[in-house]
Amino acid sequence: GESVGLHLPTLSVQEGDNSIINCAYSNSASDYFIWYKQESGKGPQFIIDIRSNMDKRQGQRVTVLLNKTVKHLSLQIAATQPGDSAVYFCAYPGGSYIPTFGRGTSLIVHP
Amino acid sequence: DGGITQSPKYLFRKEGQNVTLSCEQNLNHDAMYWYRQDPGQGLRLIYYSQIVNDFQKGDIAEGYSVSREKKESFPLTVTSAQKNPTAFYLCASSIRHRGGGSPLHFGNGTRLTVT
Repeated sequence: GESVGLHLPTLSVQEGDNSIINCAYSNSASDYFIWYKQESGKGPQFIIDIRSNMDKRQGQRVTVLLNKTVKHLSLQIAATQPGDSAVYFCAYPGGSYIPTFGRGTSLIVHP
Repeated sequence: DGGITQSPKYLFRKEGQNVTLSCEQNLNHDAMYWYRQDPGQGLRLIYYSQIVNDFQKGDIAEGYSVSREKKESFPLTVTSAQKNPTAFYLCASSIRHRGGGSPLHFGNGTRLTVT
């Protein structure tokens, strides 16, 4: 769940583990979803996207799952590496199709 | 290399002064956006522009102003009317008018500190 105040939800994993980061969205009309990775002091970078006519999409070490019934999106990272440590955001169209960002999850990978 | 350039990376200003943040893109994208990010928070939309000479307010536009005179440029002015201007500002662009249909490309941000 989300934490209160200035602290992002945090996921701590060991190097080599698989990581799962979750995102809930509210607009049932959303038809396009994106995951971004943001490293400290930098802008978000595109990781993977999925359209609403798909349930699953795979990239290199990453998989996005979309469950439209419960309006839930997840990002799975296989064999997590220290370089994966970052904040991960989901994004989806809000009003006027302008991208709306989730709050973000901080992933910490311990060597 | 195509991309988005934000400058400067760090900016310090005294309270009561206006300040303008630069954003330039050479991706030939139609749409551009300004987001604000506070510690431990997500990205909040300040302004967006889907075409030259047109822009729209986002969720937190009060105390900010923008212009879009050229396709490549979308500067943001933080005015003295913005009550809490210290933040990390991110500029982005996308290839289509419908920003939800294609990924955003982000600059590396400007960290503004107002004292």
